Parts: sequence; structure tokens; C-alpha cells
Amino acid sequence: NAGVTQTPKFQVLKTGQSMTLQCAQDMNHEYMSWYRQDPGMGLRLIHYSVGAGITDQGEVPNGYNVSRSTTEDFPLRLLSAAPSQTSVYFCASSYRAGSTDTQYFGPGTRLTVL
Amino acid sequence: AQSVTQLDSHVSVSEGTPVLLRCNYSSSYSPSLFWYVQHPNKGLQLLLKYTSAATLVKGINGFEAEFKKSETSFHLTKPSAHMSDAAEYFCVVTIDSRNQFYFGTGTSLTVIP
Repeated sequence: NAGVTQTPKFQVLKTGQSMTLQCAQDMNHEYMSWYRQDPGMGLRLIHYSVGAGITDQGEVPNGYNVSRSTTEDFPLRLLSAAPSQTSVYFCASSYRAGSTDTQYFGPGTRLTVL
Repeated sequence: AQSVTQLDSHVSVSEGTPVLLRCNYSSSYSPSLFWYVQHPNKGLQLLLKYTSAATLVKGINGFEAEFKKSETSFHLTKPSAHMSDAAEYFCVVTIDSRNQFYFGTGTSLTVIP
């Protein structure tokens, strides 16, 4: 199994540009989520999904959209990038929705917005 | 409301000495608690988790943590630090059925040779 994969690893955008961060898992996991990591702030939940066709907002959803058309994929869209969205983004998945399951994290995407 | 506080942003220990990373939580419900480790430029890896079974939880690489409800704490310990333990450690709290995980701000562990 490849586990949780994320692309790209690095990205530089200009303010106002749009892009999609890709996340895929091959473990047939029900639950998937996106976090951003900023210095001194730990990881903060952006959006999550408990299954195909179901998404919900986390702690910091503004400026981001998600969709879950398949079990495997959970892309994160930035419609109009802002410098405040400069961060490291992590995708995670777990076998089932429900908070006791171990989350498996991807390697991260480092995004810089100029 | 839930939150988690990691009491030290940086901890330095000498190789071979004990490690203590402190975590306090607040939760209106019975929480599940986790410790994750992040090595430089890597993703996060689960060290251990507490889910209302035994209060002393053993994890990978010799780490363990004790859930103390009366103190609302879940401190991470290891008897003897190894150079490879140098990393960022995150305490995480959540409750059943909420599907949301709350991370502490992290503790950076330095191991001095």
C-alpha cells in the first residue's frame, strides 16, 4: 500500500491564483481530513469527510473547498489564494469515522502565497 | 468545548536520561487522547493512544503515557532518551462521534549527545 499520498510537495502561488491540493489513500479508509500547520499553532482542522459524498467544516474552513466523490480521493481547493494561506498542509485518513481510530498522515504540501 | 495545552514548547534532555513531555486537556466529555511525533520535514506518526481502557498506555519506541482524569493530564514519558527521539511531539484530544481532532501547539524535543 502507498498509504496517504499528497501532491504537489511544494507550490508557490501568487495572490488570487487558484489551485487544488491532491490527496489520495489506498487503504479503503472511510474518514479523510485536511489540516494546516503553522509555526507555534500545531495542526488545525480545515475540512473533513466521513465518507464519499459527505464533507463538513473543521476549525478553519474559510477560503477552502473540498469534495469527496470517491472513497480514495479528497482534494482541497483554494479558489483565490491569499498570503495568509501560506502554510504546510497535511491530509490524513483513518479506517472509519469516529475518534478512536488512528489517523495516517501524508507527507505534506508546503504552500507559499506571494 | 475541548482544548489541549502542551506546557513546554521546547524540552532538551541528554541522551540516556528520562523524557517528560507534558499535556493537559479540557473536555466536556470522556476524551480520547493521542500522542503523535513529527520528525523534520516528515508527516506525523502515531506514538500511542488512550481510548478509555487502561490508563497507562504503552506506545512505540519505548514511550508511554498515563491518563489522569483527576489532573486532566496525559503526559508522555520515556525512561531513556535516544538521539533518534529528537522531533516535534503533539498531544491530540477528541471525543467519540465528533470526528474532530484538536492538536496542541507541539513540544520540540532536543536530545543532547
